Amino acid sequence: TQLLEQSPQFLSIQEGENLTVYCNSSSVFSSLQWYRQEPGEGPVLLVTVVTGGEVKKLKRLTFQFGDARKDSSLHITAAQPGDTGLYLCAPVSGSARQLTFGSGTQLTVLP
Amino acid sequence: GAVVSQHPSRVICKSGTSVKIECRSLDFQATTMFWYRQFPKQSLMLMATSNEGSKATYEQGVEKDKFLINHASLTLSTLTVTSAHPEDSSFYICSAWVANEKLFFGSGTQLSVL
Repeated sequence: TQLLEQSPQFLSIQEGENLTVYCNSSSVFSSLQWYRQEPGEGPVLLVTVVTGGEVKKLKRLTFQFGDARKDSSLHITAAQPGDTGLYLCAPVSGSARQLTFGSGTQLTVLP
Repeated sequence: GAVVSQHPSRVICKSGTSVKIECRSLDFQATTMFWYRQFPKQSLMLMATSNEGSKATYEQGVEKDKFLINHASLTLSTLTVTSAHPEDSSFYICSAWVANEKLFFGSGTQLSVL
């Protein structure tokens, strides 16, 4: 079972459009990470958010951590085909700091 | 820089055979490594936490006798899928923290059981 629900599960958009991906949970997390994964490869870390209400920007990507630290969002401005991939959120938890990934959002940006 | 190396990248085996997947930390030591499984178009599911010098911690629903994990050194963890069956076909991937700041992933192993 997934602790984190991501929506939408699948998203296909045209190049240049904006989009937002959501990551929701009923649990409070001390920190949360966002990853992007391409087919046949391991996930790559995009950002870590720690403080409730925190907003971080990575070029055209804007990440926000909810005030209550239960949810997060990723907004992409002017999406490009290179943004295509599986976007995953994951809270860092446990004594071993294991990551339990959300259900994922498969994004396809069409040229 | 720190890298997690996983081998093999792809393996095809017959039903009933066992397959070993290696995960090595390069240029850093990893007392803990994590093993995930991923089915097509799905997210990564944590299978187990591999602990150097001690038993692995398995997630609920993961058969420890089916998925044997050995973490005999600070740079190597292995996952052995015993008596593999077609339903074990999946993408397996390992990871390890570097300096407690960034989680590095191996490149994954695509297992196909015929």
